[in-house]
Amino acid sequence: EPEVTQTPSHQVTQMGQEVILRCVPISNHLYFYWYRQILGQKVEFLVSFYNNEISEKSEIFDDQFSVERPDGSNFTLKIRSTKLEDSAMYFCASSVGTGVETQYFGPGTRLLVL
Amino acid sequence: AQSVTQLGSHVSVSEGALVLLRCNYSSSVPPYLFWYVQYPNQGLQLLLKYTSAATLVKGINGFEAEFKKSETSFHLTKPSAHMSDAAEYFCAVSGGGSEKLVFGKGTKLTVNP
Repeated sequence: EPEVTQTPSHQVTQMGQEVILRCVPISNHLYFYWYRQILGQKVEFLVSFYNNEISEKSEIFDDQFSVERPDGSNFTLKIRSTKLEDSAMYFCASSVGTGVETQYFGPGTRLLVL
Repeated sequence: AQSVTQLGSHVSVSEGALVLLRCNYSSSVPPYLFWYVQYPNQGLQLLLKYTSAATLVKGINGFEAEFKKSETSFHLTKPSAHMSDAAEYFCAVSGGGSEKLVFGKGTKLTVNP
């Protein structure tokens, strides 16, 4: 069964450093998402991406964040200058459509900012 | 704005007992509702979803949920818990033209032998 994959599974970085989290969505999916979960808190939506552009983003997704689909298979989340409060589990998801369509989630990348 | 409240961050049941995980939602538009499960070190896996076709929704692994508009609820149940059901369960809502899922805080289910 096709699945969403994410790399790395864990990342430790120093405050102020740039990180890139990588995701490979399911191949025939058209919508791509990033969510994050700070320890002990809710899973929060960050951004959705369709047709090579951001289609929706949350207040969390400020200028420090960017997303890209550099080729036909990868979907990346870049954090330009990490802060302590960026420490969280980051989930990538993909779907064939929106609304009722199921979003399929990857296993997550645990980011720790020191 | 849409929101989800999951009552009980931790629920503990005995093997073979009824599982009931509570979810209440708030939405100004007809919602789509989802239950996801997360096993340790894995991603979120869809258990079931409500799409307005039927109020009682059956999912994988013997789980089901009933949409009750009057109570704004979408509680998850399973008649008989198995040890393998131990996991964290998330209720989520979407709809109204927004692409995002709005999640509850999750309920961690423990199954005792």
